[in-house]
Amino acid sequence: GAVVSQHPSRVICKSGTSVKIECRSLDFQATTMFWYRQFPKKSLMLMATSNEGSKATYEQGVEKDKFLINHASLTLSTLTVTSAHPEDSSFYICSAQIAGPTDTQYFGPGTRLTVL
Amino acid sequence: GQNIDQPTEMTATEGAIVQINCTYQTSGFNGLFWYQQHAGEAPTFLSYNVLDGLEEKGRFSSFLSRSKGYSYLLLKELQMKDSASYLCAVKNFNKFYFGSGTKLNVKP
Repeated sequence: GAVVSQHPSRVICKSGTSVKIECRSLDFQATTMFWYRQFPKKSLMLMATSNEGSKATYEQGVEKDKFLINHASLTLSTLTVTSAHPEDSSFYICSAQIAGPTDTQYFGPGTRLTVL
Repeated sequence: GQNIDQPTEMTATEGAIVQINCTYQTSGFNGLFWYQQHAGEAPTFLSYNVLDGLEEKGRFSSFLSRSKGYSYLLLKELQMKDSASYLCAVKNFNKFYFGSGTKLNVKP
């Protein structure tokens, strides 16, 4: 149980284009999902908290117009990187939270974005 | 801010025991998690502590001292497949804040 999928796993795009990444909880419902960014050999940096049916909460320094988050249902959240630039190249990971005593987060396999 | 510190890298021998430490200073505390992450993959959940003491799960154990802002992950009977990064994460309300991770190298 507690499987989270992400699609695509890898994407290469040209500078200026937009890229959408999907995060799905496959066998549970997640009222809260999180989006992280990870630079090489660094830890995960929380970008935003995504709540089903409401606007995402962004961490300080993360541009909400640049990284659009939509949490359309209890099993799906999407991150759209708009007008991507080479500095947006990174490993993006989502997680879905199972509400309960521990609120454990379960992570998707990640999406490697390369902007040329 | 939230400060979570771990050693950058450790090396241990197959079959041995290794302890990975994590110290934290955060504005709030609702639990501490350990995750394992292999290169290029997403983290996988290992353990959770919210009360002081030791939690044991097979070859993995995790300890927490809230008064000291300190936790450790203990790995016994090391196997080559344990070579990975180990991330310490503090839960503060609904958010997780991660340390930079400890890369563990297991050698034969």
